[in-house]
Amino acid sequence: NAGVTQTPKFRVLKTGQSMTLLCAQDMNHEYMYWYRQDPGMGLRLIHYSVGEGTTAKGEVPDGYNVSRLKKQNFLLGLESAAPSQTSVYFCASSEDTSNTEAFFGQGTRLTVV
Amino acid sequence: GQSLEQPSEVTAVEGAIVQINCTYQTSGFYGLSWYQQHDGGAPTFLSYNALDGLEETGRFSSFLSRSDSYGYLLLQELQMKDSASYFCAVRDQGGGFKTIFGAGTRLFVKA
Repeated sequence: NAGVTQTPKFRVLKTGQSMTLLCAQDMNHEYMYWYRQDPGMGLRLIHYSVGEGTTAKGEVPDGYNVSRLKKQNFLLGLESAAPSQTSVYFCASSEDTSNTEAFFGQGTRLTVV
Repeated sequence: GQSLEQPSEVTAVEGAIVQINCTYQTSGFYGLSWYQQHDGGAPTFLSYNALDGLEETGRFSSFLSRSDSYGYLLLQELQMKDSASYFCAVRDQGGGFKTIFGAGTRLFVKA
């Protein structure tokens, strides 16, 4: 059982380039999330989805877009990367009830130069 | 909006007991969770409190007081492998259930 899988694991981008991070989960979870983690800042919610075809903004959505065309996949896009987007990105998924844990992928370390 | 506060660092010795506190402010509170993250790894779920009181899971316990907007994680019989970052997180219902994390507490366990 793979759980939550993120690709790629590492990436270096030049300022202004675009890229898409892919998150896939095989637990049939309704909810999926994208977080970024910076030193001393904890995990900050970028965007999330409460079901296939839906997306919503989190705490720090600017500069990112997302899509949830299939229930098992949640894509995070950077249209024009900036050095401020250098971070570790985590995807997570959870069931659609209030008292449930979030399962995390192993993270994507992104550096924008 | 939501905000959570927890200490940035805690140091304790092997075999001891340590308590990590968390205070929160949120508009649609549905519960307080705790996650552990080792360096270079992903956060992993430890516990969840929806109601007031203490929840115990092995060496780890978690407490919640909804009236005080306060909770804590208690780690007993500390082991070196417990050295990690610990995050409290609130389950918020505004706009669909989402989990908002605190900045984390770095726990150093010394021999």
